[in-house]
Amino acid sequence: AQTVTQSQPEMSVQEAETVTLSCTYDTSESDYYLFWYKQPPSRQMILVIRQEAYKQQNATENRFSVNFQKAAKSFSLKISDSQLGDAAMYFCAYRSALGTNAGKSTFGDGTTLTVKP
Amino acid sequence: EAQVTQNPRYLITVTGKKLTVTCSQNMNHEYMSWYRQDPGLGLRQIYYSMNVEVTDKGDVPEGYKVSRKEKRNFPLILESPSPNQTSLYFCASSLSLGGPLADTQYFGPGTRLTVL
Repeated sequence: AQTVTQSQPEMSVQEAETVTLSCTYDTSESDYYLFWYKQPPSRQMILVIRQEAYKQQNATENRFSVNFQKAAKSFSLKISDSQLGDAAMYFCAYRSALGTNAGKSTFGDGTTLTVKP
Repeated sequence: EAQVTQNPRYLITVTGKKLTVTCSQNMNHEYMSWYRQDPGLGLRQIYYSMNVEVTDKGDVPEGYKVSRKEKRNFPLILESPSPNQTSLYFCASSLSLGGPLADTQYFGPGTRLTVL
């Protein structure tokens, strides 16, 4: 079974600074997707960024980028120029792409990000 | 507007009283899934469906049932709810075929269920 570990239950960053959230995962599969989701106090799940395992290039979405290290099974999220609106719980998620497990999803326990003005 | 809707958004019930939480999506997505979220934990997958009439267990299926008779709907059924099923429930959907947005899940707003 796949596992996703977020080792930082809480992180804080000063407004306009950069912060990196860590995520590691364990799998024996070769094809999968990785995601970062943001959950603000409203509890809505919002997609931040996604990465296909077969792509070596790290995904980027505006101020958000990932460092995907497939061999190390690491998928960290970097938030640049942090804004007050970035304060939320962030979840790392894994989704199987092929075979009998296609469609199975596993989430980490989340990292609560606080942004200080 | 493309969206995933869930009803009800809030529900308080008693042990043993059967209930259904509905989920509907208007994006013609093949894949749908149910999750529960408990304090301090991430989302745990209950059941998922790759297409009509195809459902599979996730990590925590005990005490739940699902059905997928239509592409747009994926109801979650608790036939005999118990207090340990008190949780925040999310429905999600995605395209399961190729493309730049394939396998990206879009979530409903959540249903907060309390079982007394």
